[in-house]
Amino acid sequence: DGGITQSPKYLFRKEGQNVTLSCEQNLNHDAMYWYRQDPGQGLRLIYYSQIVNDFQKGDIAEGYSVSREKKESFPLTVTSAQKNPTAFYLCASSSQGDTEAFFGQGTRLTVV
Amino acid sequence: GQQLNQSPQSMFIQEGEDVSMNCTSSSIFNTWLWYKQDPGEGPVLLIALYKAGELTSNGRLTAQFGITRKDSFLNISASIPSDVGIYFCAGQLLYEYGNKLVFGAGTILRVKS
Repeated sequence: DGGITQSPKYLFRKEGQNVTLSCEQNLNHDAMYWYRQDPGQGLRLIYYSQIVNDFQKGDIAEGYSVSREKKESFPLTVTSAQKNPTAFYLCASSSQGDTEAFFGQGTRLTVV
Repeated sequence: GQQLNQSPQSMFIQEGEDVSMNCTSSSIFNTWLWYKQDPGEGPVLLIALYKAGELTSNGRLTAQFGITRKDSFLNISASIPSDVGIYFCAGQLLYEYGNKLVFGAGTILRVKS
């Protein structure tokens, strides 16, 4: 089945630790995105990538890092510099030139 | 950055009622998208709108792309319990590096059976 997969679904992290969230898609999409969702707020863009080996900061990139070494993979690292990392993280992908973005199931990160 | 104002923030309606929600912005968008999110899941695309003035239906859902390209509305007719969830509008902009989606804050829909 074609789709976009995020793992893990739930993640707990101790303060001061880096953690990496996985996002994989087999839709052959060129563009991939990371969003953060907090209660009562819309989705805020962290990073996005239109092609392999290239990515741009979104609106709230501070404290996060990404890589795009393969077309199908766009991992997000939440670093210790992120002051308030507890949130629901969503990955999405779309075809180049296509307007519709498809989302993964999300990863809920909790800092303990 | 660009902002979308989505309203209402939440709705609590009777089963069978029609529902209406909308998004407005000071920015012009190329595309409007409407998503639904169930608790703990990723958003699922409901309707995509590509042209100013376009009116599109998907079952009980109807959405329109405003003529000014700065707004959109979503109507749900004859609501049922499974309509519960958060509805997001999203506007798409073309940037130097490709497309970028801007999301509204969401409308929480609760249906009373």
